[in-house]
Amino acid sequence: GAVVSQHPSWVICKSGTSVKIECRSLDFQATTMFWYRQFPKQSLMLMATSNEGSKATYEQGVEKDKFLINHASLTLSTLTVTSAHPEDSSFYICSAQSKDWYTGELFFGEGSRLTVL
Amino acid sequence: AQTVTQSQPEMSVQEAETVTLSCTYDTSESDYYLFWYKQPPSRQMILVIRQEAYKQQNATENRFSVNFQKAAKSFSLKISDSQLGDAAMYFCAYRIYIIQGAQKLVFGQGTRLTINP
Repeated sequence: GAVVSQHPSWVICKSGTSVKIECRSLDFQATTMFWYRQFPKQSLMLMATSNEGSKATYEQGVEKDKFLINHASLTLSTLTVTSAHPEDSSFYICSAQSKDWYTGELFFGEGSRLTVL
Repeated sequence: AQTVTQSQPEMSVQEAETVTLSCTYDTSESDYYLFWYKQPPSRQMILVIRQEAYKQQNATENRFSVNFQKAAKSFSLKISDSQLGDAAMYFCAYRIYIIQGAQKLVFGQGTRLTINP
């Protein structure tokens, strides 16, 4: 199957700083990428959908100024958590949809664990 | 709105036995995709099996099979000959079409499966 890579896999930062997480599709072009947040022992919550070259669409309740998403190319999307606070600590997962979206499958990255001190 | 419900927060099974995880969903669409994803301790989301709603035949992937009851909006996963490596969180998911041919997944709450040796 297609490969999606996230970096970093884990990051620790101080409160008030910004953290950037990258999501790359390694062997296919991702027209759409998705960012999820997962709290311990809970399901994945969709944060936003990003399409290459356009603004991301955020789910209700997700602060777009807090979670900046950029999808500058067909293989890269980034999530920047700005002015991070301890409550932003979570597991963030990206997924990517190829041009052949009708096959029904999304490909997931390995996830990034953010800890804000 | 489409919703996905997994009523079993936890399940356990003896190694080599069979276990069934339940999932129900709500939708007004007639054609859609349903998925089962596995999330092992590594947190990587792995596609287990998918079902296209217009196909009456239940999907099968080796030891994994589904019981798709469209009228009842039920989509259960059966794991035969359970192995220790099957231990994971299992998420049922429904695909929603969004604009411009993109899709997004709605996940159930998850079922934690334990395999007893």
